[in-house]
Amino acid sequence: QSALTQPASVSGSPGQSITISCTGTSSDVGGYNYVSWYQQHPGKAPKLMIYDVSNRPSGVSNRFSGSKSGNTASLTISGLQAEDEADYYCSSYTSSSTLDWVFGGGTKLTVL
Amino acid sequence: EVQLVESGGGLVQPGRSLRLSCAASGFTFDDYAMHWVRQAPGKGLEWVSGISWNSGSIGYADSVKGRFTISRDNAKNSLYLQMNSLRAEDTALYYCAKGRGIHPHDAFDIWGQGTMVTVSS
Repeated sequence: QSALTQPASVSGSPGQSITISCTGTSSDVGGYNYVSWYQQHPGKAPKLMIYDVSNRPSGVSNRFSGSKSGNTASLTISGLQAEDEADYYCSSYTSSSTLDWVFGGGTKLTVL
Repeated sequence: EVQLVESGGGLVQPGRSLRLSCAASGFTFDDYAMHWVRQAPGKGLEWVSGISWNSGSIGYADSVKGRFTISRDNAKNSLYLQMNSLRAEDTALYYCAKGRGIHPHDAFDIWGQGTMVTVSS
């Protein structure tokens, strides 16, 4: 099973909005509404930001939102803040014969 | 406080074995699926293995299938990963992660700080 495809990097200025894409196949992103997004700051463990495509865990800012169309999921961060600078990973449940979950390669968000 | 604490990592020679442990606290352990996710130095996240709340459903990444075995002891609130025939490419920080619910498709809402495994001669 191949990793999901994410852009290596995105950037934006404080206050702006950015979107990170995550492209898979009909066996993962397109086949299930079980896409999640994780934020990881350097040297820290990942943090769940979005689950089941568009749901936010308690305590996650409503500046973070998720969506999906076909085989591509997206994470949008509005009102960019300096503390949003981090790596972001998408992940999808998949029913392929030997793999239950697959991650994207990660996207480095730089706040200019 | 909900907490996951991994242990058991270290330096090991290629071909040898290692057993990782994850101690859970602050939640009802047997109500949730659990997973192992690894991150090679400077690289992205890779799902390694997952196990349902009652050990009835288990999955492995292609890269570790046949070499790694996941298990859990609900009485001890602990998750394990037995790693055999280790290779240099298994070198990574291994995270224990809790599923949001009992289902295999529940996202990972709590993560430990990881335990480092280095495979080298």
